[in-house]
Amino acid sequence: DVKVTQSSRYLVKRTGEKVFLECVQDMDHENMFWYRQDPGLGLRLIYFSYDVKMKEKGDIPEGYSVSREKKERFSLILESASTNQTSMYLCASSLFGAYPYEQYFGPGTRLTVT
Amino acid sequence: DQQVKQNSPSLSVQEGRISILNCDYTNSMFDYFLWYKKYPAEGPTFLISISSIKDKNEDGRFTVFLNKSAKHLSLHIVPSQPGDSAVYFCAASKSQAGTALIFGKGTTLSVSS
Repeated sequence: DVKVTQSSRYLVKRTGEKVFLECVQDMDHENMFWYRQDPGLGLRLIYFSYDVKMKEKGDIPEGYSVSREKKERFSLILESASTNQTSMYLCASSLFGAYPYEQYFGPGTRLTVT
Repeated sequence: DQQVKQNSPSLSVQEGRISILNCDYTNSMFDYFLWYKKYPAEGPTFLISISSIKDKNEDGRFTVFLNKSAKHLSLHIVPSQPGDSAVYFCAASKSQAGTALIFGKGTTLSVSS
């Protein structure tokens, strides 16, 4: 079974703090993704990566950066956390070029910025 | 501009009846479609998918129908069970390796016993 783990289930940070969200997958997937989920807005893509050290901006990259130094690990960084970044953050992974392009999701991190 | 739309934020159904969740898309380049199910405080889980070369795909109680001319797909759950109560996301993809999925905003299904 594919397993995607995220470093924290719940996180509370203060405005202006630098925040690191870690994601690890154990199935040797090339693709990794970071989404945020907000009520009424669905899942919105922040960044994705299809290879080590490669990254692509998604729909809402502002205020975020990512790091992928190893194939199994994809980190999301909030450089200076703001209250509008309070959200559920979801990491996912998938095989490169494999139909049905199914993405496997982690359990999510509920981040609250106060 | 939303490329994948789920226009019904919520749906309530009685146990044993059919649940029909709808999804519309605007980009004719999409050729793979997926449905995900999400419980609160958990990540989404893959449910069923369909390629644009098909018009129907069935897996147990779940069937997805695709109408390419109308750019519309639907997920049928028969019979509905209380454990099906969750948020359902429709997603679309172009057949390019590494392409991210485009998700709809989700429909919350409530199945009452």
